[in-house]
Amino acid sequence: DQQVKQNSPSLSVQEGRISILNCDYTNSMFDYFLWYKKYPAEGPTFLISISSIKDKNEDGRFTVFLNKSAKHLSLHIVPSQPGDSAVYFCAASTGRQGNLIFGKGTKLSVKP
Amino acid sequence: GAGVSQTPSNKVTEKGKYVELRCDPISGHTALYWYRQSLGQGPEFLIYFQGTGAADDSGLPNDRFFAVRPEGSVSTLKIQRTERGDSAVYLCASSLSGQGGGYTFGSGTRLTVV
Repeated sequence: DQQVKQNSPSLSVQEGRISILNCDYTNSMFDYFLWYKKYPAEGPTFLISISSIKDKNEDGRFTVFLNKSAKHLSLHIVPSQPGDSAVYFCAASTGRQGNLIFGKGTKLSVKP
Repeated sequence: GAGVSQTPSNKVTEKGKYVELRCDPISGHTALYWYRQSLGQGPEFLIYFQGTGAADDSGLPNDRFFAVRPEGSVSTLKIQRTERGDSAVYLCASSLSGQGGGYTFGSGTRLTVV
């Protein structure tokens, strides 16, 4: 039973437009959420996080939105750049240490 | 070192053999994690060390898997009697205890059991 779900395996976006990646979770005990980016043959790279006490966190072109009542979070990238093309993983945990539960990932392709 | 280092980067072994995978975390990081990523899946938690001790080993799939971190720095993941289903990328990550934000992952060891 997947506790963190990324239902879109892939997403294609034009350069300069907004990319929106979605993630749903089932465990109401999760209180910390993260997004990682992964290029082929590399380990995942931390991108941005959000605590459950917030509903939005912004870092440059990246913004994460959290809707606790819907158990849904999303990552917005604007403007999208070809270098953003990668697999994006949503992850969740209870607390800031300990194990993360990852989704299956969404492969983002940004076309020039 | 500057990042998390994992060796070897690739390992091919025969079914039934024993393998060891090594992880060198970022210097000073007290927390160390092992994850396993199978094709088309996200990373799956295996074990978490805080210092020398395993704080959470609930993700180890069975008793063929074991990990150590004797001096609180380098960690070794050991797999006995390997099976074809153990084939995956094994990822190590480290973080400062109490640090906000995410872990730093290594590039992983791709294990193939033939």
